[in-house]
Amino acid sequence: GDSVTQMEGPVTLSEEAFLTINCTYTATGYPSLFWYVQYPGEGLQLLLKATKADDKGSNKGFEATYRKETTSFHLEKGSVQVSDSAVYFCALSWNNRLAFGKGNQVVVIP
Amino acid sequence: DAGITQSPRHKVTETGTPVTLRCHQTENHRYMYWYRQDPGHGLRLIHYSYGVKDTDKGEVSDGYSVSRSKTEDFLLTLESATSSQTSVYFCAISDKQGNSNTGELFFGEGSRLTVL
Repeated sequence: GDSVTQMEGPVTLSEEAFLTINCTYTATGYPSLFWYVQYPGEGLQLLLKATKADDKGSNKGFEATYRKETTSFHLEKGSVQVSDSAVYFCALSWNNRLAFGKGNQVVVIP
Repeated sequence: DAGITQSPRHKVTETGTPVTLRCHQTENHRYMYWYRQDPGHGLRLIHYSYGVKDTDKGEVSDGYSVSRSKTEDFLLTLESATSSQTSVYFCAISDKQGNSNTGELFFGEGSRLTVL
């Protein structure tokens, strides 16, 4: 079935640094793509989404562009804050459900 | 916040015992999902429902069953719990089909299950 792959391992960076989390997908059709965020002790919440190729999703300073040619949906933020420390999941829509990547823990150090 | 309540939030049980987790929503959304979250695996779909009494299997459905007798309730049952089912379980709801998609999933706060 359709799936997403996220880069391995946690990400640790200093406040105000640039953040990139890579996500690539495998799909037979044209899925919608999502980034979800999970803060400690909470459920997931939608961060941003894109429904077709070349769309850019954005929210809270985060951005991701749906790249059909590279089958990617990388998450970026220009200047992270301590409050951005969380686990980030890439996901795609497939057959009436969402398929999630394994997630990346982001730790922002003051 | 979407009205989703999971119960119990924490449970410790022994191998071989039955366990039922409940998801209750007040949003009247059609679609409901059960995921489990494990380190190194992210979220994996167990079962989902697209209406009352309409359910389907996800990618890790073995050892689990579900029921949906009312729009607002989606129950996940482990008939005979095993240690491999120790996990955090999340319920999610949506008012649109996942592949149509502007549909967003709204998640509950999770239920932590430990099987000894």
